[in-house]
Amino acid sequence: GNSVTQMEGPVTLSEEAFLTINCTYTATGYPSLFWYVQYPGEGLQLLLKATKADDKGSNKGFEATYRKETTSFHLEKGSVQVSDSAVYFCALGNQGGKLIFGQGTELSVKP
Amino acid sequence: NAGVTQTPKFRILKIGQSMTLQCTQDMNHNYMYWYRQDPGMGLKLIYYSVGAGITDKGEVPNGYNVSRSTTEDFPLRLELAAPSQTSVYFCASSYSGERPTYEQYFGPGTRLTVT
Repeated sequence: GNSVTQMEGPVTLSEEAFLTINCTYTATGYPSLFWYVQYPGEGLQLLLKATKADDKGSNKGFEATYRKETTSFHLEKGSVQVSDSAVYFCALGNQGGKLIFGQGTELSVKP
Repeated sequence: NAGVTQTPKFRILKIGQSMTLQCTQDMNHNYMYWYRQDPGMGLKLIYYSVGAGITDKGEVPNGYNVSRSTTEDFPLRLELAAPSQTSVYFCASSYSGERPTYEQYFGPGTRLTVT
């Protein structure tokens, strides 16, 4: 079946550090891939998405590339800010309209 | 557009009480979903609906009921509240038509405590 695995948190970084959060997936067919972000006390917001192999999603300085050969969709940002502190969820969407979420990775950025 | 709205934001229930969590979307999305999120955990799908009059169970449906009489509304009913239902509940919607993207839009959540 379909599944998503994310690196465990919490991840603690200093401001302006480079961020990578790993995400790998197992799926049949050609899923769409997403990164959602959840700020403290809020709901999930779509951060970026990619709908086919080699697509790169980007938003607010974050990027992720859909790699079919390695079944990965790693989230990266070149220089994190304190305001990026949040929980990040990788998700997979396939036929049936349901999303499969990873367990979430908490990011804490210190000034 | 308000997007997905949920009420109430917070609620405390006593064991055995009942309540309905409200969810409304104004994006004319055909698919709607209810999730629960326990502290430090990911999201678990409770129920979902692919259109008015059609609902189906998700991963953790026990103790909950849903209905979908209109495209806009998807209420979640807790009949006999139990401490295990203490959680944050999120409603979401998505468009699944001719060219679905599977992208879901989330409400702000309802924080429920059962004591």
